[in-house]
Amino acid sequence: GAVVSQHPSRVICKSGTSVKIECRSLDFQATTMFWYRQFPKKSLMLMATSNEGSKATYEQGVEKDKFLINHASLTLSTLTVTSAHPEDSSFYICSAAGQGENTGELFFGEGSRLTVL
Amino acid sequence: AQSVTQLGSHVSVSEGALVLLRCNYSSSVPPYLFWYVQYPNQGLQLLLKYTTGATLVKGINGFEAEFKKSETSFHLTKPSAHMSDAAEYFCAVNLGNQFYFGTGTSLTVIP
Repeated sequence: GAVVSQHPSRVICKSGTSVKIECRSLDFQATTMFWYRQFPKKSLMLMATSNEGSKATYEQGVEKDKFLINHASLTLSTLTVTSAHPEDSSFYICSAAGQGENTGELFFGEGSRLTVL
Repeated sequence: AQSVTQLGSHVSVSEGALVLLRCNYSSSVPPYLFWYVQYPNQGLQLLLKYTTGATLVKGINGFEAEFKKSETSFHLTKPSAHMSDAAEYFCAVNLGNQFYFGTGTSLTVIP
């Protein structure tokens, strides 16, 4: 149980276009999801906390107009990188907070590799 | 303040040798503690976790970790390294529903 799926796993786009990444909790309801960015050989950097039915909470230094987060249902959160530029190229990972017996644990998606040309 | 510290960004061991990855945390209350493994271009997979109860926790793939409150440590060990253990390992703590990750330790296994 407690599976999180992310899609797409890899995406290549042209500079100036927008890209949407989906994060789904497959077998549980996730009221809280987190979006991370990971640079090569680096740890995870928390970008924002996504709460179902409310606005996301962004970490300091993360542009909310650049990285749009929507958490419209208990099983889906999306991250849209708007007007992407090469410096947005990175590995993006989502996670969902566990519920019930899994409270206190984070479950991670497979990650999405974004390359902006 | 750094909540999680992983000593050693790179660790190399010979195949069959003991694996020891260090993690120390800072918290005034007992946190939930986790070790995750990450293979290239993949998300994080939970190896093991400590919440309450027995301080020696066994996880997947033969890994285990011991919560030592007096040392504020949660070091990860495996008696005998396998080539497939080569990966990035992250220690994490949950403090009041805030997750903090260590900077990661890259494990290399030498044949």
